Amino acid sequence: QLQLQESGPGLVKSSETLSLTCTVSGGSISNTDYHWGWIRQAPGKGLEWIGSISYSRTTYYKSSLKSRVTISVDTSKNQFSLKLSSVTAADTAVYYCANWVANKAYFHHWGQGTLVTVSS
Amino acid sequence: QSVLTQPPSVSAAPGQNVTISCSGSSSNIGNNYVSWYQQLPGTAPKLLIHDNKKRPSGIPDRFSGSKSGTSATLDITGLQTGDEADYYCGTWDSSLSAGGVFGGGTKLTVL
Repeated sequence: QLQLQESGPGLVKSSETLSLTCTVSGGSISNTDYHWGWIRQAPGKGLEWIGSISYSRTTYYKSSLKSRVTISVDTSKNQFSLKLSSVTAADTAVYYCANWVANKAYFHHWGQGTLVTVSS
Repeated sequence: QSVLTQPPSVSAAPGQNVTISCSGSSSNIGNNYVSWYQQLPGTAPKLLIHDNKKRPSGIPDRFSGSKSGTSATLDITGLQTGDEADYYCGTWDSSLSAGGVFGGGTKLTVL
């Protein structure tokens, strides 16, 4: 069974870049059946799809975040990463990584999530 | 404002049945698979339903999903206190701003 674990700073200063890593275990990140994605949830709010990356490194980003988001894969470490630049308080959220079954549009296995707070 | 519309809350007594709706459009639900997620308090979401009506291994058959046109529903039968959670629908939106989308979530209270 796939397991995913987010890691990264819990506090980021306003205007800086948020960087998170998701480590995948129990399977290969090069598995062609899966894509890999990020979702966030602001305090007391619903889920927001951020973006995903395929095994061939094709990326899809939420249109409103596209200018600030980069998702990448490191197959040697079985990890994928999220970078979100020029953050503001509105980017304060719990960030989840998950594997995305792209042809059916669902997230199967989720990480436990990590809270990132943007401070001024 | 979420692309997919869900009722903010539903409630029912233990043992009863409840339905949660998810409304969209032809660019999302109408032409793509729908999934459902359960988020217990303080935990990560968990996949309940995918491909409109398929349950992953380990999900009890008390949970079922369906889709018709541009709407989808999640049915929960024989409610248990442990079902009290937030429920989200999700799908792909094929519009110009293509991407994954979620409903705003529905808080289920088991009275």
